[in-house]
Amino acid sequence: QTVVTQEPSLTVSPGGTVTLTCASSTGAVTSGFYPNWFQQKPGQAPRALIYNTNNKHSWIPARFSGSLLGGKAALTLSGVQPEDEAEYYCLLYYGGAWVFGGGTKLTVL
Amino acid sequence: QVQLVESGGGLVQPGGSLRLSCAASGFTFSDSYMNWIRQAPGKGLEWISYISGSGTTIYYADSVKGRFTISRDNAKNSVYLQMSRLRAEDTAFYYCVSGGTTYFDYWGQGTLVTVSS
Repeated sequence: QTVVTQEPSLTVSPGGTVTLTCASSTGAVTSGFYPNWFQQKPGQAPRALIYNTNNKHSWIPARFSGSLLGGKAALTLSGVQPEDEAEYYCLLYYGGAWVFGGGTKLTVL
Repeated sequence: QVQLVESGGGLVQPGGSLRLSCAASGFTFSDSYMNWIRQAPGKGLEWISYISGSGTTIYYADSVKGRFTISRDNAKNSVYLQMSRLRAEDTAFYYCVSGGTTYFDYWGQGTLVTVSS
């Protein structure tokens, strides 16, 4: 049973920078896992943010960026805005199957 | 613009069946991989099935393998999820999502499936 692990919750101040991570129980996350990141606000469907590690969808603000960091996939928000308060999910590819992380609840306070 | 509209959700008894549909518009559907992703109320996301543009490649999560069947009709710009032998733990919002392998992009608004007696 493959498990993808994210921080359950993080808090950041408006204007600050925060990094969310995504780890795989199988070992280091590499570009071959094609990490995707999604944002979900209460009562809404998820929205795609990042694909293939560090590619931003066209509708995503520049303050969002993706990377690999210390064997994990990472999502960094720079200059956080109040509207960035949401649940964030990563998704990793395991050759014919995809597994979501449990989500990180980001609070902007 | 891109639209994905799910339908077919509802209340079903344990052991019963249900067929979900997803109507797509605003992009070249036959070129697009499609997925079903679900979310139990108050819980996280779970990928459950993928189908390639031609329909020749299909994957399922272990949790639904043997019970759910994904299919598509490119002439109708639609993807389907036939669900059988439903269990209480299948209760969730079911989302139709375009993409696969390297990227996932557009999501529908979801349809709620409730499995209860």
